[in-house]
Amino acid sequence: DAGITQSPRHKVTETGTPVTLRCHQTENHRYMYWYRQDPGHGLRLIHYSYGVKDTDKGEVSDGYSVSRSKTEDFLLTLESATSSQTSVYFCAISEDSHSTDTQYFGPGTRLTVL
Amino acid sequence: AQSVAQPEDQVNVAEGNPLTVKCTYSVSGNPYLFWYVQYPNRGLQFLLKYITGDNLVKGSYGFEAEFNKSQTSFHLKKPSALVSDSALYFCAVRDRGSGNTGKLIFGQGTTLQVKP
Repeated sequence: DAGITQSPRHKVTETGTPVTLRCHQTENHRYMYWYRQDPGHGLRLIHYSYGVKDTDKGEVSDGYSVSRSKTEDFLLTLESATSSQTSVYFCAISEDSHSTDTQYFGPGTRLTVL
Repeated sequence: AQSVAQPEDQVNVAEGNPLTVKCTYSVSGNPYLFWYVQYPNRGLQFLLKYITGDNLVKGSYGFEAEFNKSQTSFHLKKPSALVSDSALYFCAVRDRGSGNTGKLIFGQGTTLQVKP
């Protein structure tokens, strides 16, 4: 899976608790992305990063924050988890943002918010 | 706005028969199109992409896709399906309207079921 790991792979938490998901890459790629996957919606972009400390919002960013202090790590934080954030979360990386660049995906984290 | 549609939630095919998973797109300018496959409890795996040139793109695991500009389609095909091809397939288009994000816009996915 292109040198991308995600942790944890599964998590069950309660409404109102903070949750942090981690994406780690060994490819030294500049761009990193967080998507969520929900039935009937495909994958939707939450946040992305175009370098260390450089991040921006995607289309479904409400309730999420991100940080990237090192090239290899991209963290997604749910400050106060809600049931609507129950989903499968995927991290992706790409060398650059050029239209021809391929994004490679991690194995995913299944999050359940009770 | 850029968009991708996969009109079939599920495609059923018998092993050994040809398969087609459909994808249509709406973009401004030249489209950059991708197919990914997701096996159960796994991440998305890249299959192939169309950037420019030959309308028939060959990818991993014997899959190919045909780009048709007049029909704005990018259908995924395989001449002879295997049971192991059973998975969830996503078509995606590069969003060229959002600056420099490199963001992909995904279809909702099509489940392919290959029966022995």
